[in-house]
Amino acid sequence: AQKITQTQPGMFVQEKEAVTLDCTYDTSDQSYGLFWYKQPSSGEMIFLIYQGSYDEQNATEGRYSLNFQKARKSANLVISASQLGDSAMYFCAMRASDRGSTLGRLYFGRGTQLTVWP
Amino acid sequence: NAGVTQTPKFRVLKTGQSMTLLCAQDMNHEYMYWYRQDPGMGLRLIHYSVGEGTTAKGEVPDGYNVSRLKKQNFLLGLESAAPSQTSVYFCASSLAGLSYEQYFGPGTRLTVT
Repeated sequence: AQKITQTQPGMFVQEKEAVTLDCTYDTSDQSYGLFWYKQPSSGEMIFLIYQGSYDEQNATEGRYSLNFQKARKSANLVISASQLGDSAMYFCAMRASDRGSTLGRLYFGRGTQLTVWP
Repeated sequence: NAGVTQTPKFRVLKTGQSMTLLCAQDMNHEYMYWYRQDPGMGLRLIHYSVGEGTTAKGEVPDGYNVSRLKKQNFLLGLESAAPSQTSVYFCASSLAGLSYEQYFGPGTRLTVT
């Protein structure tokens, strides 16, 4: 079964500090993709970063990096130099095939609410 | 490009009423999805489509029907709304393949009284 677990319902960080949001996943597939989305209070889902299961290097996108530890099945999001605008809900998601299909549906965690304070 | 659009943005229904949510994408994506988001639950897949004329059930399909008559449109129907269907509904689309992100619409907030 495919599963994403985010164990931190809420996180707080001071502006300009770095923060790590935890994500663990469970899958028996060898090929899968890991994604992080941001959902601000306005409600839209914003794609942040992607990591493929065969990628040897951790993905980075600006201030976002993904700490991928395949053996531990973890895909933590690191936000460096936090900004007030980073306050939002963050979702970890995994795209894996279902029963060998090529659908690649997204499995979501329950999210982590990040609050950045000045 | 408008990306993924959803109509309406808000709707209030009475129990037993029906309605259709419309999703449109202009990115020529093959795959389209309907999710619902409830507090503390993340997003759960209702139905999906891998191409024009094809649909399939997701994780929570009961009480919903879908149709994809045109590649760019994906409709979600509620035949007889129930209070348990109060939620925020997101449509998404993507290219085929595990490495492609899904693009989301802005969401529809539905309240069933």
